Amino acid sequence: AQKVTQAQTEISVVEKEDVTLDCVYETRDTTYYLFWYKQPPSGELVFLIRRNSFDEQNEISGRYSWNFQKSTSSFNFTITASQVVDSAVYFCALSLHSGGSNYKLTFGKGTLLTVNP
Amino acid sequence: EAQVTQNPRYLITVTGKKLTVTCSQNMNHEYMSWYRQDPGLGLRQIYYSMNVEVTDKGDVPEGYKVSRKEKRNFPLILESPSPNQTSLYFCASSRQGAIFTEAFFGQGTRLTVV
Repeated sequence: AQKVTQAQTEISVVEKEDVTLDCVYETRDTTYYLFWYKQPPSGELVFLIRRNSFDEQNEISGRYSWNFQKSTSSFNFTITASQVVDSAVYFCALSLHSGGSNYKLTFGKGTLLTVNP
Repeated sequence: EAQVTQNPRYLITVTGKKLTVTCSQNMNHEYMSWYRQDPGLGLRQIYYSMNVEVTDKGDVPEGYKVSRKEKRNFPLILESPSPNQTSLYFCASSRQGAIFTEAFFGQGTRLTVV
């Protein structure tokens, strides 16, 4: 069965600090997709990134970067120079590419990030 | 603007009173699904639909019904709501299924059953 673990329930940092959110996943399939979503206090889910299992290149988008390592089944998310507006719950999710599978996103339980001024 | 629209955003109801949460998308997506979000549990899939008239159960379908009579709409029906269905609900749509594209989520419906 597929599973996503976000071991950090809550993280609190001071503005301008770098912060890394951990995500570890489990799946027996060789083809899958990993996602990160942001949920600000207003409640909506904002798509941040998608990565497929064959693409292990790290990605940077502004202050955000993602480190995908298949060897450790991890897909960690780093925010550089954090800002108060980054305060949110962040979800890591896994989706399988497997014939006959239910098409769904399996979510981790989320990490609440609080960035203090 | 591409969007998934859920209504209502907030709802307080009493045990046993049937309710429907509507979901509509304007992107001509084949795939739609419902999730519920509970503290400490993340999001869990309730039902999904691969296309019109094709629906199936997700991880937590008990107490819910869905229908997909039109491609754009995917209502969630609670025939007899109970307090354990108090939750934040999200509708999502995707072009080919979540494995290929990002899922577009609605803004959420916060349901309280008393």
